[in-house]
Amino acid sequence: NAGVTQTPKFQVLKTGQSMTLQCAQDMNHEYMSWYRQDPGMGLRLIHYSVGAGITDQGEVPNGYNVSRSTTEDFPLRLLSAAPSQTSVYFCASSPKTGRWDTEAFFGQGTRLTVV
Amino acid sequence: AQTVTQSQPEMSVQEAETVTLSCTYDTSESDYYLFWYKQPPSRQMILVIRQEAYKQQNATENRFSVNFQKAAKSFSLKISDSQLGDAAMYFCVNNAGNMLTFGGGTRLMVKP
Repeated sequence: NAGVTQTPKFQVLKTGQSMTLQCAQDMNHEYMSWYRQDPGMGLRLIHYSVGAGITDQGEVPNGYNVSRSTTEDFPLRLLSAAPSQTSVYFCASSPKTGRWDTEAFFGQGTRLTVV
Repeated sequence: AQTVTQSQPEMSVQEAETVTLSCTYDTSESDYYLFWYKQPPSRQMILVIRQEAYKQQNATENRFSVNFQKAAKSFSLKISDSQLGDAAMYFCVNNAGNMLTFGGGTRLMVKP
């Protein structure tokens, strides 16, 4: 099983550039989400989706865009990269069971550096 | 809104000894779940243990157990017989409304 696949694993951007972080899952999970991990702050929710065509903002959405055209894919777009967006990004998915005890499955993360 | 606080940025333990990682949380939800996730140097997030808020009994998974004090909003993780492979960053996580709230993490070092 591939699980949750994120690409790329590493990326260096110049300030002002745009890019898309890819996330795909093959478990037919309804819920997908993006987090950023910064030292001492754990993971913070950027955007999430409860199904194809439905997205919503998390705790730190500014500067990021998402869309969910299929169940499998949930790309994260950086519109105009800034040094403050230097971080490690994680995509996660979980099934919609009506309960909140389900395990979230995480990708391997993308280390992004904006110079 | 949910908050999760881990007051120990770093902990160390001797191999084969026991260590307890602390976590406190705050939530306005009546129904929620708590988790501990482990993140080794590979960056992979691995579920260690989960606890349902309405269950009084503390969860146990092999060498890992929790002390869940609902009134105090405390959720500590105890690792018994620590092994070198337990060295990692540990995150306390609250799940309410399928939105995960993470603590800042505790880096656990295991000394041989």
